[in-house]
Amino acid sequence: QQQVKQSPQSLIVQKGGISIINCAYENTAFDYFPWYQQFPGKGPALLIAIRPDVSEKKEGRFTISFNKSAKQFSLHIMDSQPGDSATYFCAASKETSGSRLTFGEGTQLTVNP
Amino acid sequence: NAGVTQTPKFQVLKTGQSMTLQCAQDMNHNSMYWYRQDPGMGLRLIYYSASEGTTDKGEVPNGYNVSRLNKREFSLRLESAAPSQTSVYFCASNGITSPNTGELFFGEGSRLTVL
Repeated sequence: QQQVKQSPQSLIVQKGGISIINCAYENTAFDYFPWYQQFPGKGPALLIAIRPDVSEKKEGRFTISFNKSAKQFSLHIMDSQPGDSATYFCAASKETSGSRLTFGEGTQLTVNP
Repeated sequence: NAGVTQTPKFQVLKTGQSMTLQCAQDMNHNSMYWYRQDPGMGLRLIYYSASEGTTDKGEVPNGYNVSRLNKREFSLRLESAAPSQTSVYFCASNGITSPNTGELFFGEGSRLTVL
């Protein structure tokens, strides 16, 4: 049972475009929502994270938008660059579970030059 | 600073063979985790250790055992490997235990093929 659903599975964007990846969760007890970035042959690394007390968080070209009532959150990559080509995972956890993250299925992003 | 180190990076097993994946972290983290990554399924938690001396099952523990050897090391053992255990295995650690969440630091993965 996938508690965090991620879409799309793959995404191709032109350089300079906006990449948007969406996630939906079921467990209303989740209160921490990170995004991880993974390059081929490497382990995932934390990109950006949000808690449900805010609706948006921005770090450079990366923005998380959070909709608590819809139980959805999304990652927006502005001015996408070829170096952003990677697999992106959304995740969620609840405070009482420590860092036992539940991950989405992943999105393979390709940014064409 | 090495971070999280996994060995081996690649392994091919025959069905029924056993093996142990090793993981060590040098960040003095309390918590360590084993995930498996399969195409289209994201990362799924196999086992975790919130602190030295404790281990708990995650989402997909069947067919695996773990040992938290000390604060630095957390090993994953396959007693009788099956083709369904063909996957990429990731070890991770972080310094925050319940009730807080925190950033996970991952190793580079161990690619296991079971024939």
